[in-house]
Amino acid sequence: DIQMTQSPSSLSASAGDRVTITCRASHNINNYLNWYRQKPGKAPELLIYASSTLQSGVPSRFSGSASGTDFALTISSLQPEDFATYYCHQSFDTPYTFGQGTKVEI
Amino acid sequence: EVQLLESGGGLVQPGGSLRLACEVSGFTFSTDAMSWVRQAPGKGLEWVSFIGGRGDGTYYADSVKGRFTIFRDISKNTLYLQMNSLRAEDTAIYYCATTGYTTTWYPFDYWGQGTVVTVSA
Repeated sequence: DIQMTQSPSSLSASAGDRVTITCRASHNINNYLNWYRQKPGKAPELLIYASSTLQSGVPSRFSGSASGTDFALTISSLQPEDFATYYCHQSFDTPYTFGQGTKVEI
Repeated sequence: EVQLLESGGGLVQPGGSLRLACEVSGFTFSTDAMSWVRQAPGKGLEWVSFIGGRGDGTYYADSVKGRFTIFRDISKNTLYLQMNSLRAEDTAIYYCATTGYTTTWYPFDYWGQGTVVTVSA
């Protein structure tokens, strides 16, 4: 199985800050890497797929990057609605696997 | 507009069974892949099962293999998850999600609101 190691598990930030969350895959996943935001009490929502492609309707303050098996999600300027939990997910092979999540707190 | 609406959750005793349903609208359900993803209380996301477009190919997490079955009824535009031999560790919110509806990179692009399953005596 492909393991996804996400870090940090939590971070504190302020509105307007730039934050970066990282995810490392245990095997090559050919950029089949997706990022989700989950607000409290809500279903997750897709932000980025294929490591760096913004899903339709997602604000441009979100961006993704990749280097081999290392991936990053960057939020350029945190907005109030971005205080949430973020997950990476590999869709290269089953069993599909998620990172442990990163909680972004005020 | 793509919409997914789960139902069927509830309280069940260990060893019992439950069938979850996910009614879909706004896309060609018969040709699109779908998945179930769950989230235990206070925990992260866990993929449970996948069914390919046109129903070709089903896959399961090791934790549910042999106990859960994913299938669809195209005439009802509904995805199902039959859950047997339930355990306390199956307690979670269960989400259905389209898988690769907008792209062949197979993300979970659209999600339902979730249905709660509680396994307890």
